[in-house]
Amino acid sequence: GDSVTQMEGPVTLSEEAFLTINCTYTATGYPSLFWYVQYPGEGLQLLLKATKADDKGSNKGFEATYRKETTSFHLEKGSVQVSDSAVYFCAPLSGGYNKLIFGAGTRLAVHP
Amino acid sequence: DVKVTQSSRYLVKRTGEKVFLECVQDMDHENMFWYRQDPGLGLRLIYFSYDVKMKEKGDIPEGYSVSREKKERFSLILESASTNQTSMYLCASIAARDRKQRTFGSGTRLTVV
Repeated sequence: GDSVTQMEGPVTLSEEAFLTINCTYTATGYPSLFWYVQYPGEGLQLLLKATKADDKGSNKGFEATYRKETTSFHLEKGSVQVSDSAVYFCAPLSGGYNKLIFGAGTRLAVHP
Repeated sequence: DVKVTQSSRYLVKRTGEKVFLECVQDMDHENMFWYRQDPGLGLRLIYFSYDVKMKEKGDIPEGYSVSREKKERFSLILESASTNQTSMYLCASIAARDRKQRTFGSGTRLTVV
């Protein structure tokens, strides 16, 4: 079945450091790909998305490029802030009924 | 502002109790989902519904059932709560033709003692 593998956390960075969170997936066809973020004590929010190969999703300084050849959708940010501390989930859209498959989540902690 | 509302933020129930978790959305979305979130396991799909009175099993339906009598409400039912059902439960909804407008509720943290 469809699945997603995310980089294990926690990831601990200093403010202004470069961030990469790896995500690879297996899915039938070419799914839409999403990154969600969960801030402490809150539900999930859509961070960015890409719907076809070579698309780049971006939001709040975060970026991810849909790489069909490597079935990857790695999340990057050039300079993280303390307020970026959260759990990040990679999620390809699987098949019909808009069924999202979530990765295990990667916790990011950014220190001043 | 559109939203998905889960009736309880925190819930404590006893083993063997029947538990209802309620989720209401005000966006006229066709598809609704129930997930549980556990450390190291991410979100796992329990059940989903693509229309009123329609339901499909997700990846971990055992011990759960659902009800969708009205479009705006999707209920998750624990027939006989057990301690291994202690978890964070998240509800989400999306319009059938829209692959970006997925909205999550804030979650219900259920503890079964």
